[in-house]
Amino acid sequence: GAGVSQSPSNKVTEKGKDVELRCDPISGHTALYWYRQRLGQGLEFLIYFQGNSAPDKSGLPSDRFSAERTGESVSTLTIQRTQQEDSAVYLCASSLGLAGVGTQYFGPGTRLLVL
Amino acid sequence: DQQVKQNSPSLSVQEGRISILNCDYTNSMFDYFLWYKKYPAEGPTFLISISSIKDKNEDGRFTVFLNKSAKHLSLHIVPSQPGDSAVYFCAASDPGTYKYIFGTGTRLKVLA
Repeated sequence: GAGVSQSPSNKVTEKGKDVELRCDPISGHTALYWYRQRLGQGLEFLIYFQGNSAPDKSGLPSDRFSAERTGESVSTLTIQRTQQEDSAVYLCASSLGLAGVGTQYFGPGTRLLVL
Repeated sequence: DQQVKQNSPSLSVQEGRISILNCDYTNSMFDYFLWYKKYPAEGPTFLISISSIKDKNEDGRFTVFLNKSAKHLSLHIVPSQPGDSAVYFCAASDPGTYKYIFGTGTRLKVLA
């Protein structure tokens, strides 16, 4: 079956604009994760979903960041009033079963550049 | 505070020799560890994992060793191939928070 897909693959935006990033997990995967990787750095956990609920939002960098998931499927990560420091690759991953158990499968990422 | 550390940002190895990538962690509650490989412009791909009840797991050219007392794991690739050149991330599963904690990665370059 298809893997995790993300769109857009690249996004260039102006400072202050809002952006929405989309993740389509592997069908049947109940857990979904968002990470951020800034240039030269490791993966930074942002948020995870178990089904449609997000028990832990502590990784979101600021209140400009929000995420939702519907139908235990697609998830969107929204960044409001983007700042240059938001420039990064945003990675989505999904896994079967409970979050934190088993293997995560990653999408190709969305490369966000805020000018 | 970095709970999963990969202290070597880069490593170069000759083709055919062994590559050893290291990872240290601080939380003794971590119970599952994974290694991912990442090529440029792609998402990380799962390589191999190990449960905390084991000290070794092998899959083809890849072997992961876990030393719980030292809170250390390592990935051995033998023989190394040019196609193994990538960034390798180790990750740990935190059963208390259901998060995966990733290290900062080690860039492996296998020289032909």
